[in-house]
Amino acid sequence: EAGVTQFPSHSVIEKGQTVTLRCDPISGHDNLYWYRRVMGKEIKFLLHFVKESKQDESGMPNNRFLAERTGGTYSTLKVQPAELEDSGVYFCASSPKLQATNEKLFFGSGTQLSVL
Amino acid sequence: QKEVEQDPGPLSVPEGAIVSLNCTYSNSAFQYFMWYRQYSRKGPELLMYTYSSGNKEDGRFTAQVDKSSKYISLFIRDSQPSDSATYLCAMTNSGGYQKVTFGIGTKLQVIP
Repeated sequence: EAGVTQFPSHSVIEKGQTVTLRCDPISGHDNLYWYRRVMGKEIKFLLHFVKESKQDESGMPNNRFLAERTGGTYSTLKVQPAELEDSGVYFCASSPKLQATNEKLFFGSGTQLSVL
Repeated sequence: QKEVEQDPGPLSVPEGAIVSLNCTYSNSAFQYFMWYRQYSRKGPELLMYTYSSGNKEDGRFTAQVDKSSKYISLFIRDSQPSDSATYLCAMTNSGGYQKVTFGIGTKLQVIP
């Protein structure tokens, strides 16, 4: 079974440019999450999709970030325009249908974003 | 004050040692506690998942939760070089909704 796939694995862009990150969750997983780790800080929640709907986007830093999940399958996270503080590792995770307890998150390997 | 405090290390131990990792938290709403292992250039991988206070064992790993003290631990017995990784504690107030709050992670190196 294929895991959560993210690409690109690395992206280096200049301040003011646009970058789009992509995540392909495990097939059949309704829940998709984006997390981010800024250097020296904890991994932080960004947002949660259930199928194609945004369930919680309380962790999105500002309106320069736009996440979409087309048809409830893959997801994209666009940063426009990118700022220096957006640098970090962006993780995508997925999980099956919501369950009462013991729901396991499967993480991708992340996209390392460097804004110069 | 951070919701979750975790010593980032690094922690270096000889092969075969018992490793003790721990986290403290301040939010009493946290009910579900996890330990993730993250190898370099990989995503976090769930190791242990616990709900109630007490111990949970899985092979060489034991997770311990003390809700009254807001303190969780992970013990690794007979540590192996392959255990070298970053260990992240994580917690959430709902088992069915994984808006997880992570600790910063402790980097562990097991020396052969």
